[in-house]
This record gives sequence, structure tokens and C-alpha cells, in this order.
Amino acid sequence: KQEVTQIPAALSVPEGENLVLNCSFTDSAIYNLQWFRQDPGKGLTSLLLIQSSQREQTSGRLNASLDKSSGRSTLYIAASQPGDSATYLCAVKGQAGTALIFGKGTTLSVSS
Amino acid sequence: GAVVSQHPSWVICKSGTSVKIECRSLDFQATTMFWYRQFPKQSLMLMATSNEGSKATYEQGVEKDKFLINHASLTLSTLTVTSAHPEDSSFYICSASWLAGPNEQFFGPGTRLTVL
Repeated sequence: KQEVTQIPAALSVPEGENLVLNCSFTDSAIYNLQWFRQDPGKGLTSLLLIQSSQREQTSGRLNASLDKSSGRSTLYIAASQPGDSATYLCAVKGQAGTALIFGKGTTLSVSS
Repeated sequence: GAVVSQHPSWVICKSGTSVKIECRSLDFQATTMFWYRQFPKQSLMLMATSNEGSKATYEQGVEKDKFLINHASLTLSTLTVTSAHPEDSSFYICSASWLAGPNEQFFGPGTRLTVL
């Protein structure tokens, strides 16, 4: 059964820092991997989707990498801002048509 | 991008009553819909997967007689929490996708259920 782990569980940084969030998964046979953002009490905002054949995706200050063989993904946030404060969730899809399996998330706090 | 709506956004009910949550795909036909549950400070846990016109497949530990899922059309799925109890209070999120598309799941905004 696929298990997704995110480290660290929480992270506090001053504004302007570059940071890395880590995600690992036990079964490397994935279809795709997705990073989401969730604000308190709110739904999910999709940040980046990486297909299994891809190595990375970029959107603005965000860059996500995927190393399928080692079961790892990282989300890099450049020049962090207070508005980046949220919980970041990593999720993997095993096969087309199946459900995303989520990690427990990393709660990020960026102070001004 | 594809849009998924949920109704209601929040609901408060008395213990023992049933509550229905609707999930709609607004601009695409969802061949598959997923229902997740999220307890405070926890991650999303998959409850069930439903394909249009078929019975839902429930995850281990989820009571199918308590959480009734209907996916009668390509744009609508409903989750009914029957005889709700305080321990059912949670954030319920639906997600939809279509096989011929990008195989990306699009998420609804969630429904906050509070059972008194």
C-alpha cells in the first residue's frame, strides 16, 4: 500500500529565505505527483503536477522535482513571503483513474 | 481549468439526522469522483471512489451503509452521511476527473460538517 511521508511537519522561516519541502513515497510505480497548498479551513489549491516521465516542473517562485526511482520529490520555494504561509500537501497517483494518496503535509510559517 | 463545486459549504446538524453533500463538475463530464475526509490538523483520507453508473468502491474502514455515495450522472455525485454522530464531524472534500482528459484530479472547495 502506498504511503506518502512529508518532512518536516512544520517549518518557520523569516521572509526572503529559500526553502525546501520534502516528500517521499514507498511505491515508486506512480503515474504522477502533485503538490497542493491548503490555507486553514479552506480547500486545496493545486500548485504543480509532475507526470511520472518528468523530472521537474516550475511555476513562478516554485519548483518541484521528482526522482521516481528513489521515491522522492522536493518542493523548492524561492524568496519566501508571508503570503506563502500555509500547509503544503504532496500527493501521488498510482495509476490512471485511481485516487491521489496524500501525505500529512508541511505547515509553513513565514514571518515578516 | 476544470471547476468542481460543492454544496453546502458548511452544515450543522443534530446527532441522528442525515446530511447530503453534493459535488458537481461544472465544465466537464466526470467519469470518476473521489470523496475524501479531513479531520483537524490531519491530511486528506480517501473514503471512496465512484465511477458514473457504478457502485462506489469504499476504502477499508469506511462504512458503506453509513456513507452513501451516488454518482448517477457525469456531473453530479452525492455523499449522504446517515445517522450522523459527533465523531462524523469533519471536512469532506470531493474530487473529479475524466479518463480522456489530463488525468488530473480537480477538487471542490470542501464541506464543513458539524454534528451536535
